[in-house]
Amino acid sequence: AQSVTQPDIHITVSEGASLELRCNYSYGATPYLFWYVQSPGQGLQLLLKYFSGDTLVQGIKGFEAEFKRSQSSFNLRKPSVHWSDAAEYFCAVAAGGSYIPTFGRGTSLIVHP
Amino acid sequence: GAVVSQHPSRVICKSGTSVKIECRSLDFQATTMFWYRQFPKQSLMLMATSNEGSKATYEQGVEKDKFLINHASLTLSTLTVTSAHPEDSSFYICSAREPGTTNEQFFGPGTRLTVL
Repeated sequence: AQSVTQPDIHITVSEGASLELRCNYSYGATPYLFWYVQSPGQGLQLLLKYFSGDTLVQGIKGFEAEFKRSQSSFNLRKPSVHWSDAAEYFCAVAAGGSYIPTFGRGTSLIVHP
Repeated sequence: GAVVSQHPSRVICKSGTSVKIECRSLDFQATTMFWYRQFPKQSLMLMATSNEGSKATYEQGVEKDKFLINHASLTLSTLTVTSAHPEDSSFYICSAREPGTTNEQFFGPGTRLTVL
């Protein structure tokens, strides 16, 4: 079965600084990978996904993620963080064909003015 | 993107009562819907997969007699928490999948259940 590790429970950055959220997955074949964002008391919004092709994926709100098979990673990046980016971020992996994601524990992003 | 709604957004009930949560796909037909449970500061745990017109498929460890799922139409799935207890208090999130090449799931805003 697939699994996801998000090693950072909290990340604090200053507004305008760059951001990288880490995600490592475990799956025997080529995975489907996702990043979601959850604002307090809200559902999840898909930021971006990787199914195949270019390993650098562009998403909404200026986010991007890079799939690195050799490192089993799918880290999320943003060059300049805005205060409105403060939220919970979930990395997820799905087995090929199922599209049903298994979620990591999440990383809470705190943005200082 | 497609919109999924949940109702109610918050519910408080007494121990021993049953609570029904609705999940609707507003602008697309969802042959498959999913129910997740999220504890505070935790990840989402898939509870069950709901297929229109057939019985739900429950994940291991989820009591199907306690968490009743009905998917009677292509736009509505319901989760009923029967004989609720305080340990059932949680954030319940549904998602719906629009058939297509990406099979992307669209998530509802969640329902906060508090059992007193």
